[in-house]
Amino acid sequence: DAGVIQSPRHEVTEMGQEVTLRCKPISGHNSLFWYRQTMMRGLELLIYFNNNVPIDDSGMPEDRFSAKMPNASFSTLKIQPSEPRDSAVYFCASSPQAGVSTDTQYFGPGTRLTVL
Amino acid sequence: LAKTTQPISMDSYEGQEVNITCSHNNIATNDYITWYQQFPSQGPRFIIQGYKTKVTNEVASLFIPADRKSSTLSLPRVSLSDTAVYYCLVGGKAAGNKLTFGGGTRVLVKP
Repeated sequence: DAGVIQSPRHEVTEMGQEVTLRCKPISGHNSLFWYRQTMMRGLELLIYFNNNVPIDDSGMPEDRFSAKMPNASFSTLKIQPSEPRDSAVYFCASSPQAGVSTDTQYFGPGTRLTVL
Repeated sequence: LAKTTQPISMDSYEGQEVNITCSHNNIATNDYITWYQQFPSQGPRFIIQGYKTKVTNEVASLFIPADRKSSTLSLPRVSLSDTAVYYCLVGGKAAGNKLTFGGGTRVLVKP
């Protein structure tokens, strides 16, 4: 299994531009998570999906952030417009069971976003 | 959600045993204790999970006292490659629960 796949691995953009991060979860997994990691705030859960349905988006910082999961094998996290404070590493993770927080989460390699 | 407290950092030497204690005073009856490891420039990776007493796998051991208000992750005979951040998380199996990553413990293994 290839594990969780994220693209791009690195993204540099200018303030005001739209940024789209992509994630392919492990095949057969039913939950998908988006996290953001910075030195100041650590690892924060932004949103998670169970069976492609968004369950909790309380961690999404503001309306500039949106996430979709159109099918079981693909999810996107979009930032529009981007701001320098959005610079961080964004991780996608998936887990086999839907709605079981104790289930092991498998993390992707992350996307390092830099907004100038 | 149960809050966890763990040391910010620890130093150790190759071949030593490293013990990281996590406090979770308000752990709920159905909560499990899970530890993740994160190497630089990588996503976190599951290490071990337990509910009570002791759990051991090929990587680590997890000790949980009877009151479950704390837990200790034990890494036997660490090597330089064990240098990482270790996160303690507490959460239950009930639907809708989510895990919250705290600040973690930065372990530095020295030669």
